[in-house]
Amino acid sequence: GAVVSQHPSRVICKSGTSVKIECRSLDFQATTMFWYRQFPKQSLMLMATSNEGSKATYEQGVEKDKFLINHASLTLSTLTVTSAHPEDSSFYICSVQGLRNTEAFFGQGTRLTVV
Amino acid sequence: AQTVTQSQPEMSVQEAETVTLSCTYDTSESDYYLFWYKQPPSRQMILVIRQEAYKQQNATENRFSVNFQKAAKSFSLKISDSQLGDAAMYFCAYRTDDKIIFGKGTRLHILP
Repeated sequence: GAVVSQHPSRVICKSGTSVKIECRSLDFQATTMFWYRQFPKQSLMLMATSNEGSKATYEQGVEKDKFLINHASLTLSTLTVTSAHPEDSSFYICSVQGLRNTEAFFGQGTRLTVV
Repeated sequence: AQTVTQSQPEMSVQEAETVTLSCTYDTSESDYYLFWYKQPPSRQMILVIRQEAYKQQNATENRFSVNFQKAAKSFSLKISDSQLGDAAMYFCAYRTDDKIIFGKGTRLHILP
């Protein structure tokens, strides 16, 4: 299966600053990557679909100007949380989903704390 | 729209015993894929087992097996000979063409 590396694993930032999270597909050319948010003791909520070379597709209720996604290559997608606020504190996970008959491969996740 | 429902927020099982986690889903499609993922305290998502809807035979992976009832849209996970390392959140998931939809999860406790 694909190996997905997500960085950083933990980050603490001050309110009002921006934070960038990287998701790399190490051995799989991913035209599409997915970003999820997970609140404590809850399920994964799909935020957006990152498409290589084009604009990301955001789920309803997710602010695209708040969560900037860039997918400049087949192996890298980035999520930037702009002007972070304490309510943005959460666990963010990226995934690469292969062909229809394969499972999703997940990064290790990033725990963001905004203080 | 497709939905995935896990009706058991938490479950406990004695070590070495068998436990079954429930999952139901709703879809109008005939061809799809279902998964069970495990999320241990490290929060790394790990695939446990996968089932193709066109296959009638239930998938098995060592101590893990599923009971796939397509007509009933049910996809339960059975864990045999439960081990302490099985303690985790378990998510049932449905695969569409462009995304995976997760249930709310079941937290499994293993009692020594």
